[in-house]
Amino acid sequence: QQPVQSPQAVILREGEDAVINCSSSKALYSVHWYRQKHGEAPVFLMILLKGGEQKGHEKISASFNEKKQQSSLYLTASQLSYSGTYFCGTSDGSGGSNYKLTFGKGTLLTVNP
Amino acid sequence: DTEVTQTPKHLVMGMTNKKSLKCEQHMGHRAMYWYKQKAKKPPELMFVYSYEKLSINESVPSRFSPECPNSSLLNLHLHALQPEDSALYLCASSQDRSNQPQHFGDGTRLSIL
Repeated sequence: QQPVQSPQAVILREGEDAVINCSSSKALYSVHWYRQKHGEAPVFLMILLKGGEQKGHEKISASFNEKKQQSSLYLTASQLSYSGTYFCGTSDGSGGSNYKLTFGKGTLLTVNP
Repeated sequence: DTEVTQTPKHLVMGMTNKKSLKCEQHMGHRAMYWYKQKAKKPPELMFVYSYEKLSINESVPSRFSPECPNSSLLNLHLHALQPEDSALYLCASSQDRSNQPQHFGDGTRLSIL
């Protein structure tokens, strides 16, 4: 089942912060975050496993609330290079679905000077 | 540059043609994936190979035929495609299970005339 991402789009000025949310109606085993720039391949940002952990990657961090079946991606002090479409991908980790990621519709982030 | 190499980058074919997409990785990954991505949409999983065996087929039409000759190579054979099959086809690989990052290739942009 496809996770729901919000917002669909966000426009920032350089240096501003943003939060992108990802929620599922099913219990989650893991949440992946990827960024895709126009005409390029999706690039891995981070993975969160069930357990309510929070991870950081430079000025980009994420949290995972297993009970609420939600994950949030936090972008602080945004840079022009952060522009792109952010996808969350979720897995319920059950049996043969171990490898299966279902991606949300994406959030288009635009950072302006 | 990505560590997953896909060829060709662009492909135009008629509905009666037979062609193949190729994907190669040398990271020692044991899981490989084919995704289809339409413009402004998320990647949609088509097939997953795990240790060179087909693990997941997401009810993909038989005009798409995957093949994994060895742990480094993944092919997608195309035959009698329809115009709606025009899309970006992405290959990805990961170490093994779902809690590992997926590394995407740049994709093959396919157009069906």
